Amino acid sequence: NAGVTQTPKFRVLKTGQSMTLLCAQDMNHEYMYWYRQDPGMGLRLIHYSVGEGTTAKGEVPDGYNVSRLKKQNFLLGLESAAPSQTSVYFCASIRRGATLNEQFFGPGTRLTVL
Amino acid sequence: GNSVTQMEGPVTLSEEAFLTINCTYTATGYPSLFWYVQYPGEGLQLLLKATKADDKGSNKGFEATYRKETTSFHLEKGSVQVSDSAVYFCALSGSSSARQLTFGSGTQLTVLP
Repeated sequence: NAGVTQTPKFRVLKTGQSMTLLCAQDMNHEYMYWYRQDPGMGLRLIHYSVGEGTTAKGEVPDGYNVSRLKKQNFLLGLESAAPSQTSVYFCASIRRGATLNEQFFGPGTRLTVL
Repeated sequence: GNSVTQMEGPVTLSEEAFLTINCTYTATGYPSLFWYVQYPGEGLQLLLKATKADDKGSNKGFEATYRKETTSFHLEKGSVQVSDSAVYFCALSGSSSARQLTFGSGTQLTVLP
């Protein structure tokens, strides 16, 4: 199993450009999450999904959109990138019936917005 | 709402030194508590966990005890190694049906030979 993978690993954007980050998991997990990691602030939840076709807002959703068209994929979109969105983005997943909330994380995407 | 307050870093220790990273939390009900570790250039990995009061989680020489009376889950290791250099995150999982995690701010640990 590859676990949770993220594409791309690095990206540099100019202000106003758009892009999509892809998260894929091969563990048949129902729940998927997008976090951003900023120095001194830990990980903050952007959006999450509890199943195919469903998404919900997390703590810091503004400026992002998400889609979960397939169970194994969770896409994070930036329609008009801003320097404040410079961050490291992590995707995570968990099985609905898991007895413990141990989320499995991808390796991250480092995004710089100039 | 839920929150996690974690000892600020960075922390620099010599090899074989004793490590403590403090973590306290605020939550309703009975959350599960976690320590995650992030090695350079990698994603987060679960280090240890505890699901109820007085539980002790342990892994790779690290330990943490779920203290409900002090709402704490401090991470300890008796003798750190250079390979323990990483960022450590305390986290909790509350009663949300979406199984969300709330993270602390992270503590950078550097162990010198």
